[in-house]
Amino acid sequence: GAGVSQTPSNKVTEKGKYVELRCDPISGHTALYWYRQSLGQGPEFLIYFQGTGAADDSGLPNDRFFAVRPEGSVSTLKIQRTERGDSAVYLCASSPWGNSYNEQFFGPGTRLTVL
Amino acid sequence: TQLLEQSPQFLSIQEGENLTVYCNSSSVFSSLQWYRQEPGEGPVLLVTVVTGGEVKKLKRLTFQFGDARKDSSLHITAAQPGDTGLYLCAGALANRDDKIIFGKGTRLHILP
Repeated sequence: GAGVSQTPSNKVTEKGKYVELRCDPISGHTALYWYRQSLGQGPEFLIYFQGTGAADDSGLPNDRFFAVRPEGSVSTLKIQRTERGDSAVYLCASSPWGNSYNEQFFGPGTRLTVL
Repeated sequence: TQLLEQSPQFLSIQEGENLTVYCNSSSVFSSLQWYRQEPGEGPVLLVTVVTGGEVKKLKRLTFQFGDARKDSSLHITAAQPGDTGLYLCAGALANRDDKIIFGKGTRLHILP
Protein backbone atom coordinates (compact mmCIF):
# COMPACT_ATOMS: atom_id res chain seq x y z
CA GLY A 1 0.00 0.00 0.00
CA ALA A 2 0.93 3.66 -0.23
CA GLY A 3 0.42 4.59 3.39
CA VAL A 4 2.82 6.14 5.87
CA SER A 5 5.64 3.79 6.79
CA GLN A 6 7.98 3.94 9.74
CA THR A 7 11.20 2.08 10.38
CA PRO A 8 12.24 0.33 12.45
CA SER A 9 9.01 -1.00 13.93
CA ASN A 10 10.85 -1.75 17.17
CA LYS A 11 14.09 -0.37 18.54
CA VAL A 12 15.78 -1.45 21.75
CA THR A 13 18.77 0.57 22.86
CA GLU A 14 20.82 1.24 25.94
CA LYS A 15 20.74 4.39 28.00
CA GLY A 16 23.08 6.99 26.55
CA LYS A 17 23.00 5.70 22.98
CA TYR A 18 21.95 7.62 19.85
CA VAL A 19 18.93 6.51 17.78
CA GLU A 20 17.35 7.52 14.50
CA LEU A 21 13.72 6.86 13.62
CA ARG A 22 12.59 7.15 10.01
CA CYS A 23 9.25 8.17 8.51
CA ASP A 24 8.20 7.81 4.88
CA PRO A 25 5.06 9.91 4.35
CA ILE A 26 2.44 9.47 1.68
CA SER A 27 3.81 10.74 -1.63
CA GLY A 28 2.84 14.34 -2.27
CA HIS A 29 1.89 15.17 1.32
CA THR A 30 3.51 18.46 2.25
CA ALA A 31 2.90 18.32 6.00
CA LEU A 32 4.56 15.81 8.31
CA TYR A 33 4.05 15.44 12.04
CA TRP A 34 5.90 13.54 14.76
CA TYR A 35 4.13 12.47 17.95
CA ARG A 36 5.16 10.46 20.99
CA GLN A 37 2.69 8.15 22.68
CA SER A 38 3.37 6.70 26.11
CA LEU A 39 1.42 3.82 27.57
CA GLY A 40 -2.11 4.85 28.45
CA GLN A 41 -1.74 8.30 26.92
CA GLY A 42 -2.84 10.01 23.75
CA PRO A 43 -0.25 11.08 21.16
CA GLU A 44 1.84 14.05 22.29
CA PHE A 45 2.86 16.55 19.60
CA LEU A 46 6.61 16.85 19.01
CA ILE A 47 7.28 18.66 15.73
CA TYR A 48 5.54 19.62 12.51
CA PHE A 49 7.12 20.15 9.05
CA GLN A 50 5.61 22.04 6.18
CA GLY A 51 7.82 21.03 3.27
CA THR A 52 11.46 21.00 4.33
CA GLY A 53 11.16 23.44 7.20
CA ALA A 54 10.06 22.83 10.77
CA ALA A 55 6.96 25.01 11.12
CA ASP A 56 6.63 24.22 14.82
CA ASP A 57 9.10 22.34 17.01
CA SER A 58 7.64 23.48 20.32
CA GLY A 59 6.82 19.92 21.38
CA LEU A 60 10.38 18.63 21.36
CA PRO A 61 11.08 17.94 25.05
CA ASN A 62 14.70 19.09 25.08
CA ASP A 63 17.77 19.59 22.90
CA ARG A 64 18.49 15.85 22.78
CA PHE A 65 15.66 15.58 20.25
CA PHE A 66 16.07 16.78 16.68
CA ALA A 67 14.24 16.09 13.42
CA VAL A 68 15.03 16.76 9.78
CA ARG A 69 13.23 16.56 6.47
CA PRO A 70 15.91 17.65 3.98
CA GLU A 71 14.03 17.00 0.73
CA GLY A 72 10.50 17.58 1.93
CA SER A 73 9.64 13.89 1.93
CA VAL A 74 11.32 11.40 4.28
CA SER A 75 11.88 12.61 7.83
CA THR A 76 14.25 11.36 10.52
CA LEU A 77 13.74 11.88 14.24
CA LYS A 78 17.07 11.81 16.06
CA ILE A 79 17.49 11.28 19.78
CA GLN A 80 20.88 11.75 21.42
CA ARG A 81 21.97 10.34 24.78
CA THR A 82 18.77 8.36 25.19
CA GLU A 83 17.17 8.09 28.61
CA ARG A 84 14.79 5.49 29.98
CA GLY A 85 12.05 8.11 29.99
CA ASP A 86 12.31 8.33 26.20
CA SER A 87 10.75 4.87 25.92
CA ALA A 88 7.48 5.24 24.02
CA VAL A 89 5.86 4.69 20.64
CA TYR A 90 6.90 7.38 18.19
CA LEU A 91 4.20 8.07 15.61
CA CYS A 92 4.54 9.89 12.33
CA ALA A 93 1.63 11.34 10.35
CA SER A 94 1.37 13.14 7.03
CA SER A 95 -1.29 15.42 5.62
CA PRO A 96 -1.86 16.94 2.18
CA TRP A 97 -1.96 20.57 3.27
CA GLY A 98 -0.96 20.87 6.92
CA ASN A 99 -4.30 22.30 7.96
CA SER A 100 -6.15 20.47 10.68
CA TYR A 101 -9.28 20.20 8.53
CA ASN A 102 -7.34 17.69 6.47
CA GLU A 103 -7.01 14.14 7.66
CA GLN A 104 -3.74 13.15 9.22
CA PHE A 105 -2.62 9.73 8.03
CA PHE A 106 -0.64 7.91 10.69
CA GLY A 107 2.04 5.29 10.36
CA PRO A 108 2.14 2.23 12.64
CA GLY A 109 4.78 3.81 14.87
CA THR A 110 8.21 2.85 16.13
CA ARG A 111 8.30 1.35 19.60
CA LEU A 112 11.44 2.63 21.31
CA THR A 113 12.68 0.89 24.44
CA VAL A 114 15.61 2.35 26.33
CA LEU A 115 17.14 -0.10 28.80
CA THR B 1 -2.63 20.22 32.55
CA GLN B 2 -4.53 18.23 29.92
CA LEU B 3 -6.14 20.56 27.40
CA LEU B 4 -8.64 17.92 26.26
CA GLU B 5 -10.20 15.74 28.96
CA GLN B 6 -11.79 12.51 27.83
CA SER B 7 -14.22 10.50 29.92
CA PRO B 8 -14.55 7.81 30.85
CA GLN B 9 -10.98 6.57 30.59
CA PHE B 10 -12.15 2.96 30.39
CA LEU B 11 -15.49 1.47 29.45
CA SER B 12 -16.46 -2.18 29.23
CA ILE B 13 -20.02 -2.99 28.14
CA GLN B 14 -22.02 -5.82 26.65
CA GLU B 15 -22.66 -6.15 22.94
CA GLY B 16 -25.87 -4.41 21.91
CA GLU B 17 -25.71 -1.65 24.54
CA ASN B 18 -25.47 2.05 23.77
CA LEU B 19 -22.69 4.29 25.08
CA THR B 20 -21.45 7.86 25.02
CA VAL B 21 -17.92 9.11 25.53
CA TYR B 22 -17.02 12.73 26.11
CA CYS B 23 -14.27 15.15 25.23
CA ASN B 24 -14.20 18.41 27.19
CA SER B 25 -12.07 21.53 27.35
CA SER B 26 -12.13 25.07 28.63
CA SER B 27 -10.57 26.21 25.33
CA VAL B 28 -12.27 26.95 22.03
CA PHE B 29 -11.31 24.78 19.07
CA SER B 30 -11.59 25.61 15.37
CA SER B 31 -12.16 21.94 14.67
CA LEU B 32 -12.26 18.68 16.53
CA GLN B 33 -11.48 15.20 15.28
CA TRP B 34 -12.20 11.72 16.57
CA TYR B 35 -9.75 8.91 15.91
CA ARG B 36 -9.81 5.20 16.66
CA GLN B 37 -6.60 3.36 17.44
CA GLU B 38 -6.04 -0.38 17.62
CA PRO B 39 -3.02 -2.04 19.29
CA GLY B 40 0.17 -1.78 17.24
CA GLU B 41 -1.33 0.68 14.80
CA GLY B 42 -1.55 4.42 14.38
CA PRO B 43 -4.79 6.33 14.96
CA VAL B 44 -7.32 6.36 12.10
CA LEU B 45 -9.55 9.39 11.60
CA LEU B 46 -13.27 8.77 12.04
CA VAL B 47 -14.68 12.28 11.66
CA THR B 48 -13.89 16.00 11.75
CA VAL B 49 -16.42 18.52 13.11
CA VAL B 50 -15.92 22.22 12.50
CA THR B 51 -19.17 24.07 13.23
CA GLY B 52 -20.59 24.63 16.72
CA GLY B 53 -23.59 22.35 17.23
CA GLU B 54 -22.66 20.17 14.28
CA VAL B 55 -23.80 16.55 14.33
CA LYS B 56 -22.27 13.91 12.07
CA LYS B 57 -23.25 10.28 11.75
CA LEU B 58 -21.08 7.38 10.65
CA LYS B 59 -23.22 4.25 10.61
CA ARG B 60 -23.88 3.50 14.32
CA LEU B 61 -21.59 6.34 15.51
CA THR B 62 -22.94 9.84 16.14
CA PHE B 63 -20.55 12.73 16.77
CA GLN B 64 -21.55 16.11 18.13
CA PHE B 65 -19.56 19.33 18.47
CA GLY B 66 -20.68 21.59 21.31
CA ASP B 67 -22.31 24.92 20.51
CA ALA B 68 -19.36 26.80 22.02
CA ARG B 69 -16.85 24.55 20.26
CA LYS B 70 -15.29 23.52 23.58
CA ASP B 71 -16.53 19.97 23.80
CA SER B 72 -17.64 16.97 21.80
CA SER B 73 -19.32 13.63 22.28
CA LEU B 74 -19.30 10.28 20.53
CA HIS B 75 -22.37 8.08 20.86
CA ILE B 76 -22.35 4.46 19.72
CA THR B 77 -25.64 2.66 19.22
CA ALA B 78 -25.87 -1.11 19.61
CA ALA B 79 -22.15 -1.59 20.25
CA GLN B 80 -20.42 -4.53 18.61
CA PRO B 81 -17.17 -6.33 19.51
CA GLY B 82 -15.59 -4.75 16.42
CA ASP B 83 -16.02 -1.34 18.08
CA THR B 84 -13.40 -2.28 20.67
CA GLY B 85 -10.43 0.08 20.64
CA LEU B 86 -8.96 3.35 21.89
CA TYR B 87 -11.02 6.39 20.92
CA LEU B 88 -9.09 9.64 20.81
CA CYS B 89 -10.40 13.14 20.43
CA ALA B 90 -8.06 15.74 18.99
CA GLY B 91 -8.57 19.43 18.48
CA ALA B 92 -7.04 22.37 16.69
CA LEU B 93 -7.05 25.50 18.85
CA ALA B 94 -8.84 28.49 17.36
CA ASN B 95 -5.59 30.42 17.00
CA ARG B 96 -3.42 27.49 15.80
CA ASP B 97 -5.33 25.38 13.31
CA ASP B 98 -2.26 23.59 11.96
CA LYS B 99 -1.39 21.89 15.27
CA ILE B 100 -3.56 19.14 16.70
CA ILE B 101 -3.71 18.35 20.42
CA PHE B 102 -4.86 14.92 21.53
CA GLY B 103 -6.74 13.80 24.61
CA LYS B 104 -5.65 10.70 26.54
CA GLY B 105 -8.37 8.59 24.99
CA THR B 106 -11.20 6.31 26.07
CA ARG B 107 -10.39 2.62 25.98
CA LEU B 108 -13.57 0.80 24.95
CA HIS B 109 -14.11 -2.93 25.29
CA ILE B 110 -17.26 -4.54 23.95
CA LEU B 111 -18.00 -7.96 25.39
CA PRO B 112 -19.63 -10.50 23.05
